[in-house]
Amino acid sequence: EDKVVQSPLSLVVHEGDTVTLNCSYEVTNFRSLLWYKQEKKAPTFLFMLTSSGIEKKSGRLSSILDKKELFSILNITATQTGDSAVYLCAVYSGNTPLVFGKGTRLSVIA
Amino acid sequence: KAGVTQTPRYLIKTRGQQVTLSCSPISGHRSVSWYQQTPGQGLQFLFEYFSETQRNKGNFPGRFSGRQFSNSRSEMNVSTLELGDSALYLCASSHGGSLVNTGELFFGEGSRLTVL
Repeated sequence: EDKVVQSPLSLVVHEGDTVTLNCSYEVTNFRSLLWYKQEKKAPTFLFMLTSSGIEKKSGRLSSILDKKELFSILNITATQTGDSAVYLCAVYSGNTPLVFGKGTRLSVIA
Repeated sequence: KAGVTQTPRYLIKTRGQQVTLSCSPISGHRSVSWYQQTPGQGLQFLFEYFSETQRNKGNFPGRFSGRQFSNSRSEMNVSTLELGDSALYLCASSHGGSLVNTGELFFGEGSRLTVL
């Protein structure tokens, strides 16, 4: 059974801190790993990773995948209160649906 | 283009009742997936429909059912509601074709169901 484990489940940081969120997975026929941000209701897409070692970057957010060790990290530098959200990691293996981890709840305090 | 639209956004039911939730995908998307989100369990997959056929099904009891229409709109139904069915029900759409399906889903705002 495909499995995604995120850590930590929650964390609280101060504005300006850098955070690293972790996602490990066990999946057959891996095709992609995706990160989503969920602030209130609808998760919104952040990154999709398919190849090891290639960093995806968007502003202060970046992510990288290690297909040998079966994990990905999401980094957020210079955090702001607007980064407070649940960050979801999901893996896709082709004909099966996305499998999500339970998410990491990030709280950024001023 | 318009995003994924879910209705109703909020609803309150009592145990034993049944509920129907609706989802209109992004224009051109043929796959619709449904997820249940609860604080303790995260997003759990319910089912996926593609071209009016159920393509995948999660581990939920038979009280949970769904369907997809020819215009790709989808409905899900929960019968004989239980307190534990209280959750945010998220619908997501994608292109769905095997050659273009990279797994990225586009989510609606969700339907918040409270069962009393």
